[in-house]
Amino acid sequence: DTGVSQDPRHKITKRGQNVTFRCDPISEHNRLYWYRQTLGQGPEFLTYFQNEAQLEKSRLLSNRFSAERPKGSFSTLEIQRTEQGDSAMYLCASSLKGQGSNEQFFGPGTRLTVL
Amino acid sequence: DQQVKQNSPSLSVQEGRISILNCDYTNSMFDYFLWYKKYPAEGPTFLISISSIKDKNEDGRFTVFLNKSAKHLSLHIVPSQPGDSAVYFCAARNSGGSNYKLTFGKGTLLTVNP
Repeated sequence: DTGVSQDPRHKITKRGQNVTFRCDPISEHNRLYWYRQTLGQGPEFLTYFQNEAQLEKSRLLSNRFSAERPKGSFSTLEIQRTEQGDSAMYLCASSLKGQGSNEQFFGPGTRLTVL
Repeated sequence: DQQVKQNSPSLSVQEGRISILNCDYTNSMFDYFLWYKKYPAEGPTFLISISSIKDKNEDGRFTVFLNKSAKHLSLHIVPSQPGDSAVYFCAARNSGGSNYKLTFGKGTLLTVNP
């Protein structure tokens, strides 16, 4: 399967713990996005990488959140001191810069539950 | 503020009939629009898109119509099949922006009854 993959698919944690999610984009895609989706809502943009550079962060991304894409390939999203309000589906998407690259391809998501 | 609005949370149609899903947007800078389909426990899957320079794009059973003056787009599925039952998200993008981020509506749950 050469699509976007995310790990883990599910994560249950206690409030105050740190969690880290991983995203592996489609191999030739140089743009990578993180979104968050809560119940009854559409995905909301969190942050964007072009290669290894993080070019934009949403105001939704508090200082407890950090994302990296160290070699311009896979990306990690870490949440420190989790809160119950962090419970959501975290989606990763990738796309290819250039003509005909308008579509973003999404991974299956990581569902986070904070108890 | 909700820049992309899908005002119908759900839609139910009979197999073989037409499904019409609607989407409105408020940001006049949006110039590219996409529809995604999402099954439970899966990520959104790209379905079809349209640039603001067009008013129609067709791909098999799926057609998207764009009315720029009304800031409205719709997705038509003909004929509808039970496998089309899913949540459909409308998304929009400002290509003049630096990051190509997508702004999504809240989604419409389509149920196609056999």
